[in-house]
Amino acid sequence: DIVMTQTPLSLSVTPGQPASISCKSSQSLLHSDGKTSLYWYLQKPGQSPQLLIYELSSRFSGVPDRFSGSGSGTDFTLKISRVEAEDVGVYYCMQGLHHAWTFGQGTKVEIK
Amino acid sequence: QITLKESGPTLVKPTQTLTLTCTFSGFSLYTSGVGVGWIRQPPGKALEWLALIYWNDDKRYSPSLKSRLTITKDTSKNQVVLTMTNMDPVDTATYYCAHKLWFGESDYGMDVWGQGTTVTVSS
Repeated sequence: DIVMTQTPLSLSVTPGQPASISCKSSQSLLHSDGKTSLYWYLQKPGQSPQLLIYELSSRFSGVPDRFSGSGSGTDFTLKISRVEAEDVGVYYCMQGLHHAWTFGQGTKVEIK
Repeated sequence: QITLKESGPTLVKPTQTLTLTCTFSGFSLYTSGVGVGWIRQPPGKALEWLALIYWNDDKRYSPSLKSRLTITKDTSKNQVVLTMTNMDPVDTATYYCAHKLWFGESDYGMDVWGQGTTVTVSS
């Protein structure tokens, strides 16, 4: 299995300030087609996970442009340019290489 | 609008078999590139992918749980069923189903999730 490791596990952010979450995979997520099979989800309190970013850096429909994904190979980052109160919850990275998906442990984001 | 809803027992006994049904609308499993996956989340813990079935009946399973899982689809009924054998208290979790889309040159992953159903394993 590909192991996904997120840091930090928790983050307290002042509204309007940026935030960054790191995700590392145990092997490269670069597919033979040149795409990177890395996704980011947000699970708001009491809700199901919602897709934020697909294929490393593409924002899903309706996701605000303050969210961005970047990275390559085994190191990835989710950045929130200016955190808002509605961004609280647990963020998960997920890999989907070879049709076997694994998630990171999650990063809990709260507002100061 | 894509929606998915999970259904099944809320309580199962150890060693029993769990059967969960995902009933969906807004898409069809006749459509190329479409799949439905199952993911679970123990209380207070992280997400764990379990299984996925594609429109062409290709089935994928978590390697660590493969021996206990079976995923099937009833395309005409817009349903996907997951069975998990030999249930244990550690399998207590919220179980989600999700729509997966691979369209054109993009793989959107599991883009729409159901609300989840909570299953407790206890004697």
